[in-house]
Amino acid sequence: EAQVTQNPRYLITVTGKKLTVTCSQNMNHEYMSWYRQDPGLGLRQIYYSMNVEVTDKGDVPEGYKVSRKEKRNFPLILESPSPNQTSLYFCASSPTLAGAPDTQYFGPGTRLTVL
Amino acid sequence: GEDVEQSLFLSVREGDSSVINCTYTDSSSTYLYWYKQEPGAGLQLLTYIFSNMDMKQDQRLTVLLNKKDKHLSLRIADTQTGDSAIYFCAEAGGATNKLIFGTGTLLAVQP
Repeated sequence: EAQVTQNPRYLITVTGKKLTVTCSQNMNHEYMSWYRQDPGLGLRQIYYSMNVEVTDKGDVPEGYKVSRKEKRNFPLILESPSPNQTSLYFCASSPTLAGAPDTQYFGPGTRLTVL
Repeated sequence: GEDVEQSLFLSVREGDSSVINCTYTDSSSTYLYWYKQEPGAGLQLLTYIFSNMDMKQDQRLTVLLNKKDKHLSLRIADTQTGDSAIYFCAEAGGATNKLIFGTGTLLAVQP
């Protein structure tokens, strides 16, 4: 089954404790991205990757890092989480850029709370 | 800059039609999308429209696009309680063709 998986689904942590949210897709997609969803703000892109070893900032990259060492995985790293990073995070993948209408797959989301 | 706006909340009775509206700013968008997010779930692509179309119908869903006013709407006929969700419109635009989402409209369907 074609899917995007994220782990963990829920995480409560404390300020400053480094964490990684994993994202994996089994569709051999080139394009992957991370979004955060906040009430009243919709989804905002954090980082995206056009292919292995090619990553770039989205609209709200501050406080986040990503890596793309292999095609299937695109982890999101918070080196020193802060309470303003409490949010719902979605990973997404598609074969190419996000213009194609029916090929953007989203993961189930990771709800992060930073105390 | 790029901006996509929606009203935050819509309440309808079961069996009525729902109309969710969206305005966008990037006239170069190739596709415009509607996503559905059910409680505790991820995003599901509901439907989309190519920018050179005015209307698209897909079973109970009708998408209307007014390019002149940069206005997109989603009409759900015979709304059911299972349609209760947050609906996001999105456009694909910019140099990287990334998805730009609206704020989301919470649709509440009363039995």
